[in-house]
Amino acid sequence: DGGITQSPKYLFRKEGQNVTLSCEQNLNHDAMYWYRQDPGQGLRLIYYSQIVNDFQKGDIAEGYSVSREKKESFPLTVTSAQKNPTAFYLCASSILGGQPQHFGDGTRLSIL
Amino acid sequence: KNEVEQSPQNLTAQEGEFITINCSYSVGISALHWLQQHPGGGIVSLFMLSSGKKKHGRLIATINIQEKHSSLHITASHPRDSAVYICAVILGDNDMRFGAGTRLTVKP
Repeated sequence: DGGITQSPKYLFRKEGQNVTLSCEQNLNHDAMYWYRQDPGQGLRLIYYSQIVNDFQKGDIAEGYSVSREKKESFPLTVTSAQKNPTAFYLCASSILGGQPQHFGDGTRLSIL
Repeated sequence: KNEVEQSPQNLTAQEGEFITINCSYSVGISALHWLQQHPGGGIVSLFMLSSGKKKHGRLIATINIQEKHSSLHITASHPRDSAVYICAVILGDNDMRFGAGTRLTVKP
């Protein structure tokens, strides 16, 4: 079955450390997205990529970085510059020009 | 004020009840998306609609573009329908704005 795999499901890191969240899809989708979800708020777009080796900042890109070296993979790095990294992170994908309709199961990041 | 407002924030129902979740938005949109977030966090797309009504099983989604309002209805609700339901509006390419979600609990 095609889908999006996010790993790990739970991640704990010490303050000041960078951490990378994995997102892999086997849907052959061109576009991939990273969202952040906080309690009581809607999902907010961090970064998106429409094609390999290209990506754009979303609404809350500060303190995050991404890469898109392969079509299937869109890892997100939460850097030490992100002031409040504890959140639930969701990865999504879509066909080019479409809207994200396929989502992963998310990664819950907690900073100790 | 958020561009997408959902009501209620929390909803508790008895099994078998008819459920309505509302979504109002303040911007011009090309389409609207209803999503279901499971307790584990994963999100599933339920409907994408730009006019009228769509039905899938016990779920019905309606949209009124003039009134900037959409509703998600669940008929004969069941405990397995317990989830967070999220409304998202599509403003353009790669521009989707999300409501904060409605947490539904259906008790047996």
